[in-house]
Amino acid sequence: DVKVTQSSRYLVKRTGEKVFLECVQDMDHENMFWYRQDPGLGLRLIYFSYDVKMKEKGDIPEGYSVSREKKERFSLILESASTNQTSMYLCASSPGRTTSNEQFFGPGTRLTVL
Amino acid sequence: KQEVTQIPAALSVPEGENLVLNCSFTDSAIYNLQWFRQDPGKGLTSLLLIQSSQREQTSGRLNASLDKSSGRSTLYIAASQPGDSATYLCAVRPQGTGGFKTIFGAGTRLFVKA
Repeated sequence: DVKVTQSSRYLVKRTGEKVFLECVQDMDHENMFWYRQDPGLGLRLIYFSYDVKMKEKGDIPEGYSVSREKKERFSLILESASTNQTSMYLCASSPGRTTSNEQFFGPGTRLTVL
Repeated sequence: KQEVTQIPAALSVPEGENLVLNCSFTDSAIYNLQWFRQDPGKGLTSLLLIQSSQREQTSGRLNASLDKSSGRSTLYIAASQPGDSATYLCAVRPQGTGGFKTIFGAGTRLFVKA
């Protein structure tokens, strides 16, 4: 089974702090994604990566950056956390570079910024 | 612009009932459609993936159909059980976006009463 893990299930941070969310997948997938999920807004894509050191902006990249130094790991960075970044963050991965591949999700990180 | 709509937003059924969840999308140019299950506070679990060339997929008590021309998909759950209670999301991968974008519906919250 594909396994996507996220470093924390729950995280509480203060405004202005630098926050790192880590995601690791164990199935050698090329593609990795970061989404946030908010009530009434659904899932929105923040960033994705289709290869090591490659990244592309999603729909809502403002206030976020990402890092993919190794194929299995994709990090989401909040340079200076703000209260409007309180959300559920979901990481996903999918295999290959074809366009028909299934996405597999991690358990999510519930981030609260005070 | 691709939009995905799920109806109903919430559904409550007695145990044992067969039920259908609906998903519609506005642009038939898709690579695939995927159904997910999400338990409260958790990540998404992939249920079924239907490629654009396919009409349906089955897994256990679940059957998903796809009618691209009408922009519709249904998820059929046979003999529902209390453990099926969750939010069900459908998502499409639009063509023309490099295949990396996924558009999610808002979900149908299902409650199966024992």
